[in-house]
Amino acid sequence: KNEVEQSPQNLTAQEGEFITINCSYSVGISALHWLQQHPGGGIVSLFMLSSGKKKHGRLIATINIQEKHSSLHITASHPRDSAVYICAVPQGGSEKLVFGKGTKLTVNP
Amino acid sequence: NAGVMQNPRHLVRRRGQEARLRCSPMKGHSHVYWYRQLPEEGLKFMVYLQKENIIDESGMPKERFSAEFPKEGPSILRIQQVVRGDSAAYFCASSPAAGWVSTYEQYFGPGTRLTVT
Repeated sequence: KNEVEQSPQNLTAQEGEFITINCSYSVGISALHWLQQHPGGGIVSLFMLSSGKKKHGRLIATINIQEKHSSLHITASHPRDSAVYICAVPQGGSEKLVFGKGTKLTVNP
Repeated sequence: NAGVMQNPRHLVRRRGQEARLRCSPMKGHSHVYWYRQLPEEGLKFMVYLQKENIIDESGMPKERFSAEFPKEGPSILRIQQVVRGDSAAYFCASSPAAGWVSTYEQYFGPGTRLTVT
């Protein structure tokens, strides 16, 4: 069974700061997902990656398959980035996802 | 191209009633996933369906819960004889093919917030 740990659980930053959210998992995977859940509850898929690094605007996701670890970075953070960021990985080669508990990010102006 | 649609967005049921949650996947998507988010908890997988087939229902409670994805129409998550513990946000997601192990991302709907009184 794959276990997913995210850190930190809560993160408060000032506008403009560089943000890093970490995700570790216990069993080898084919791909890892980063999701964003807005304060209103809606969920957006940010990244799906299986190796290296991906970048969308100010968001960067990296993964180290050997170390079973991924990071989500936000450059030049903005209050609109305030949300819960969730990491998810497949459970043992199935289509079923296991989710981390999420990191609640608050960016203050 | 409309996104994943879920309705209703909010649903209030009394204990013992039935709840029906609907999910219309994105156009061209044939795979649907249902997830539940209990208050103050993380997302949990419930069931994975393709058209007319349940592929994996290992996350579904053994009783009172059922799901279908007919050839025509939306996917339905049905909860019979609801109890207070069923109060949660229910999200569905869709993908054009197998979403997690392969290279296809999943696209989430806005969720249905079920409150059982």
